[in-house]
Amino acid sequence: DTGVSQNPRHKITKRGQNVTFRCDPISEHNRLYWYRQTLGQGPEFLTYFQNEAQLEKSRLLSDRFSAERPKGSFSTLEIQRTEQGDSAMYLCASSPQGGLASGRSDTQYFGPGTRLTVL
Amino acid sequence: AQSVTQLGSHVSVSEGALVLLRCNYSSSVPPYLFWYVQYPNQGLQLLLKYTSAATLVKGINGFEAEFKKSETSFHLTKPSAHMSDAAEYFCAVSGTGNQFYFGTGTSLTVIP
Repeated sequence: DTGVSQNPRHKITKRGQNVTFRCDPISEHNRLYWYRQTLGQGPEFLTYFQNEAQLEKSRLLSDRFSAERPKGSFSTLEIQRTEQGDSAMYLCASSPQGGLASGRSDTQYFGPGTRLTVL
Repeated sequence: AQSVTQLGSHVSVSEGALVLLRCNYSSSVPPYLFWYVQYPNQGLQLLLKYTSAATLVKGINGFEAEFKKSETSFHLTKPSAHMSDAAEYFCAVSGTGNQFYFGTGTSLTVIP
C-alpha cells in the first residue's frame, strides 16, 4: 500500500505527558500537512511542509506543539504537556510537487489519523 | 479569506432516493473546491474536485457536484443512495494559501 500512513492509530495519555505522532506521506509527494479534527467538526489546519521546510503554521499550533520533517520524507508532530483539550484526531495529508497551475494546493491525500485521548 | 458552510449536519435518505448535500463557499479568489468522504475511524477520501474546468464534476461512487458561481455553491448529489454511502461528507475550499478550509461536515444516513 503506497498511501499515507500514520502511527500510532490510537494514543491514550495522562494530562501533562508528552506524545509524538508519525506520518509517512506518499513517497513522491513533497508537500505534507497536519490537521486536527474534533468530534463533530471538520479538519482544522495546523501546519504545512514543503520538503523539509515548514512554511505555514496555524495560530492553533501553540508553543506546546512542534512539527518536524527533517529529511523531507516522514514527519513527526509532538505535543508537550498534553491537556484534555488536545484530545482529537490528528490527520496527516500529502500532495504532489507543483500542484495546480496557480500554485495552489491540489488534491490532498489523507492518512487514517491518530486518535489522541488525554485523561 | 476562504470558508465553506455545509447546511444540514445530518441528512437521512431512503435507499434508492436522491442524495443532496449542500455546500456554500466564500472565497476572495476563484475557488478550488473539493468533496471528501470519511468513514468511521478512517481518514478522508477524495470524492471529486472542481479546479476551474468543467462546472459539472463527476466523482467516484456515482457522486457529482455542480459549481455555481452565482450562488456560491458546490452541492453534492447522487441519483440513488446505497447503504454503503452512509458516512460523513466534508466540503473544502483551497484558497490563496496551501491549506484547505473544511466545512463542519454532513452525516448521511441511508434508511433501508
